[in-house]
Amino acid sequence: SQQGEEDPQALSIQEGENATMNCSYKTSINNLQWYRQNSGRGLVHLILIRSNEREKHSGRLRVTLDTSKKSSSLLITASRAADTASYFCATDAGGSYIPTFGRGTSLIVHP
Amino acid sequence: GAVVSQHPSWVICKSGTSVKIECRSLDFQATTMFWYRQFPKQSLMLMATSNEGSKATYEQGVEKDKFLINHASLTLSTLTVTSAHPEDSSFYICSARGTYTEAFFGQGTRLTVV
Repeated sequence: SQQGEEDPQALSIQEGENATMNCSYKTSINNLQWYRQNSGRGLVHLILIRSNEREKHSGRLRVTLDTSKKSSSLLITASRAADTASYFCATDAGGSYIPTFGRGTSLIVHP
Repeated sequence: GAVVSQHPSWVICKSGTSVKIECRSLDFQATTMFWYRQFPKQSLMLMATSNEGSKATYEQGVEKDKFLINHASLTLSTLTVTSAHPEDSSFYICSARGTYTEAFFGQGTRLTVV
């Protein structure tokens, strides 16, 4: 079954606004990664956050991790039309665990 | 950080032919590799798991004779789609993990069968 579940499934905002998407998971993890996928294109790695980290930043991206709630959030600040894409979280518990993806959030940023 | 490279990024092949997709771990030894498939507007679903030197373990519903997986070295795994048909057109992604590393994903390969 899917480990990560993104919320919302779809998000439509205006350029300049912030976009927040969430990922919930079921089992303990070693790390969680966020990826972007433009329509018809490959995956682009955004951020990896480990279980002992609570927040990471990369440019306009901010990722938080709450292991007590088994959830993570991805915040894109001052969104741009070029941010339009699907965003996936992928969880990894290490060892023999199989890394799994959530269903993704489809973000549309209107210019 | 660790890098996983897939090749090719996209490929178009004729129906009935076979196509091979490579997945390489560039700076670590990948003891385990995973292959995923993404259907349009859906998430990535696991197809199979392979450990170096062993036969791949396929998920239920995945035809092992159609999707041949080879993991002959610690840095390379290949997925061969045999006798491809239009319904095999999809996005395929690999992931690699070392003994003491996290799992990292390749950028994916878009296969179109015409």
